[in-house]
Amino acid sequence: GENVEQHPSTLSVQEGDSAVIKCTYSDSASNYFPWYKQELGKRPQLIIDIRSNVGEKKDQRIAVTLNKTAKHFSLHITETQPEDSAVYFCAATASGGSYIPTFGRGTSLIVHP
Amino acid sequence: DADVTQTPRNRITKTGKRIMLECSQTKGHDRMYWYRQDPGLGLRLIYYSFDVKDINKGEISDGYSVSRQAQAKFSLSLESAIPNQTALYFCATSDYGQGGEKLFFGSGTQLSVL
Repeated sequence: GENVEQHPSTLSVQEGDSAVIKCTYSDSASNYFPWYKQELGKRPQLIIDIRSNVGEKKDQRIAVTLNKTAKHFSLHITETQPEDSAVYFCAATASGGSYIPTFGRGTSLIVHP
Repeated sequence: DADVTQTPRNRITKTGKRIMLECSQTKGHDRMYWYRQDPGLGLRLIYYSFDVKDINKGEISDGYSVSRQAQAKFSLSLESAIPNQTALYFCATSDYGQGGEKLFFGSGTQLSVL
């Protein structure tokens, strides 16, 4: 089955700095890589995703990159703000069929004002 | 707005008790999942269901059972609760017609087993 490793487990930055969270996956059949953000006391919510036919995707201050050869993908947050403080989960899966998303263990991002 | 609703939001129970966590959705999605969240361990899959007649075990199904009563309802039972089942439980849905890979989570149930 799929195995997703996520690092770091905790990331502390100053407001305005950039933050990078990295994930690796094991199953070459995986072709869809979402990122979920979970604010304190809230449910995880999808914030950005990337498919295997794309190397990078950007949405305002967040971006995701994918290296299929190395089987790793990363979340980049620029100009961090206190409201970016949350737990971020990466996941890997394949579209359709019986594939189930496999999650990384999460990264707790703390943005200090 | 279409949503995924979990009840109860919080539950405290004693060791050995049977409890049920309920999930209902108005999204019209066919796939439903139960995850457990523990600090540092991420989201681990307990059971999932692709339709009403389909139930599958996830990576940590021991001590749990599920029932898919209708397309919109998926309940999780702990037959005899134990303290290490204390965790935050999330129900989630996805739509196979849209690829099935994007998950929509419920608001969660915090369970404490004393």
